[in-house]
Amino acid sequence: AQKVTQAQTEISVVEKEDVTLDCVYETRDTTYYLFWYKQPPSGELVFLIRRNSFDEQNEISGRYSWNFQKSTSSFNFTITASQVVDSAVYFCALSEDLPSGGSYIPTFGRGTSLIVHP
Amino acid sequence: ETGVTQTPRHLVMGMTNKKSLKCEQHLGHNAMYWYKQSAKKPLELMFVYSLEERVENNSVPSRFSPECPNSSHLFLHLHTLQPEDSALYLCASSQVTSTGGDTQYFGPGTRLTVL
Repeated sequence: AQKVTQAQTEISVVEKEDVTLDCVYETRDTTYYLFWYKQPPSGELVFLIRRNSFDEQNEISGRYSWNFQKSTSSFNFTITASQVVDSAVYFCALSEDLPSGGSYIPTFGRGTSLIVHP
Repeated sequence: ETGVTQTPRHLVMGMTNKKSLKCEQHLGHNAMYWYKQSAKKPLELMFVYSLEERVENNSVPSRFSPECPNSSHLFLHLHTLQPEDSALYLCASSQVTSTGGDTQYFGPGTRLTVL
């Protein structure tokens, strides 16, 4: 069965600090997909990134970067020079490959609440 | 309209009321989902309509009844709710193929308060 663990319940930083949100996953599939979503106070989950298990290249998008390491089953998310607008709950999720019997329905972690103070 | 829309955005109802939540997706997806998000609790999948099947979370009480008349519209019918059903109800859609599911896109949610 698939499982996603976000051990950090809440992180509090001061603006301009770098912050890393951890995500550790479990799956029996060799083909799977990892996601990060942002949920600001308004409530809507906003899609940030999707990564498949065969692509271990790290990705950078502006101040956001993602570090995918299959050896440690982790898909961590770093925000560089954090801003107040980054304050939100961030969710990591995992879905599996259908042909190998996995579930296309994503499993979500419990989320990490990031608070950025001015 | 683009993306996934939900109405109403806010709903207050008494325990004896009957109401419905509506979700519409404009992304051409073939799967739609209902999630419940209570304060301090993880996202809870309630129902999925995909690949011509309905998937249910067996822990969801029967006072919640989904309906999916077509691939673009999803409803959640509510009746005789309890105060503990107060939560944010999120709708999502995705494209599911023979290889798996693509990214889920979420609506803004309906914040439900049951008095």
